[in-house]
Amino acid sequence: ETGVTQSPTHLIKTRGQQVTLRCSSQSGHNTVSWYQQALGQGPQFIFQYYREEENGRGNFPPRFSGLQFPNYSSELNVNALELDDSALYLCAISQGIEHGYTFGSGTRLTVV
Amino acid sequence: GNSVTQMEGPVTLSEEAFLTINCTYTATGYPSLFWYVQYPGEGLQLLLKATKADDKGSNKGFEATYRKETTSFHLEKGSVQVSDSAVYFCALSDLVSGGGADGLTFGKGTHLIIQP
Repeated sequence: ETGVTQSPTHLIKTRGQQVTLRCSSQSGHNTVSWYQQALGQGPQFIFQYYREEENGRGNFPPRFSGLQFPNYSSELNVNALELDDSALYLCAISQGIEHGYTFGSGTRLTVV
Repeated sequence: GNSVTQMEGPVTLSEEAFLTINCTYTATGYPSLFWYVQYPGEGLQLLLKATKADDKGSNKGFEATYRKETTSFHLEKGSVQVSDSAVYFCALSDLVSGGGADGLTFGKGTHLIIQP
């Protein structure tokens, strides 16, 4: 039990559609970040939220967007889905770099 | 920019063998270093970490020492078990100037297979 819950666990969408992935945690944390992990690859940083504001972003286009809420939950939204968006999407929480990041089990997104 | 390079697998060992998975990094600042493990169908679990040079992280028999002079953070275990079979990721986290964040930068992962 990681303490970080992601939903749904699996999802199939059609190219061009929009998707919202969710992440929640019972523990207090000030930072949440999202990662995309393609099959056989390491996770790639999408963006990070600190106290409900985006404070870092990786090399992903604006159609990847997010939100962090006061109740420690977070969303990742992807518009205009492309086939290459098929991946495992991971959410991670942290109370600071020195504490490391705790990951959820991920959402497996398949775009057809 | 930041980058992490780790040995590619799969690495296949017999039970009770000694394990080393090499990891080197490039960073602009003074990063924190991590090893994560991923079991099939699951997310990432933090295995160990080190936040400054010469720190040694350890957990469940695994160890790694933060070597600034060689920019390395090699993972070692003296006697592996079948249950250690998984994918291992080396990662770093580095605050950019201005207080922003680049998140974690991961290597591509090393698939470890332990045979009985």
